[in-house]
Amino acid sequence: GAVVSQHPSWVICKSGTSVKIECRSLDFQATTMFWYRQFPKQSLMLMATSNEGSKATYEQGVEKDKFLINHASLTLSTLTVTSAHPEDSSFYICSATGTADYNEQFFGPGTRLTVL
Amino acid sequence: GQSLEQPSEVTAVEGAIVQINCTYQTSGFYGLSWYQQHDGGAPTFLSYNALDGLEETGRFSSFLSRSDSYGYLLLQELQMKDSASYFCAVRSGAGSYQLTFGKGTKLSVIP
Repeated sequence: GAVVSQHPSWVICKSGTSVKIECRSLDFQATTMFWYRQFPKQSLMLMATSNEGSKATYEQGVEKDKFLINHASLTLSTLTVTSAHPEDSSFYICSATGTADYNEQFFGPGTRLTVL
Repeated sequence: GQSLEQPSEVTAVEGAIVQINCTYQTSGFYGLSWYQQHDGGAPTFLSYNALDGLEETGRFSSFLSRSDSYGYLLLQELQMKDSASYFCAVRSGAGSYQLTFGKGTKLSVIP
């Protein structure tokens, strides 16, 4: 099956710093990538949708200047949390769809962000 | 707006059958997916229903009734490793591959 990786798997940072999370599709070309945030014991909340070579589409309530998304190639999307604060601490998960089956999203293993 | 309802917790005995229901109210509907997520892990795809009826994949089956805005996931011959959270998710547009997830059902399988 299709594999999506994320790096790093966990990160701890000080308040005010920026953190970049990478999402890669390893064995397929991802036409669309999605970024989700999940708080403990809660559902996945879609933050934004990104298509290669175009600007990301953010969900209502998600600050585009705080959560910078770049989808520079068909295999890589990055999420940068700028000026992170403790309330940004969460589990960030990316997913990707390829060209073979749009009905299935392939999820990365997630990144646990803790802001001190 | 979009809303999906599913039970928050279900407990079942190893070897038994369990059904997890999902009702949805969405501005558009293109299909219903089910995902499994173990604690600390990533969601993994289980099934997708675009048309009414039952889809079977091994021990797991998924059902959809578009007229009732209702679907369910059926897990048979439960195993301890099936203990996880199960999310239903709606794809609301033909041109959009975005999913809206329910809050998840935590399944606990007991001996």
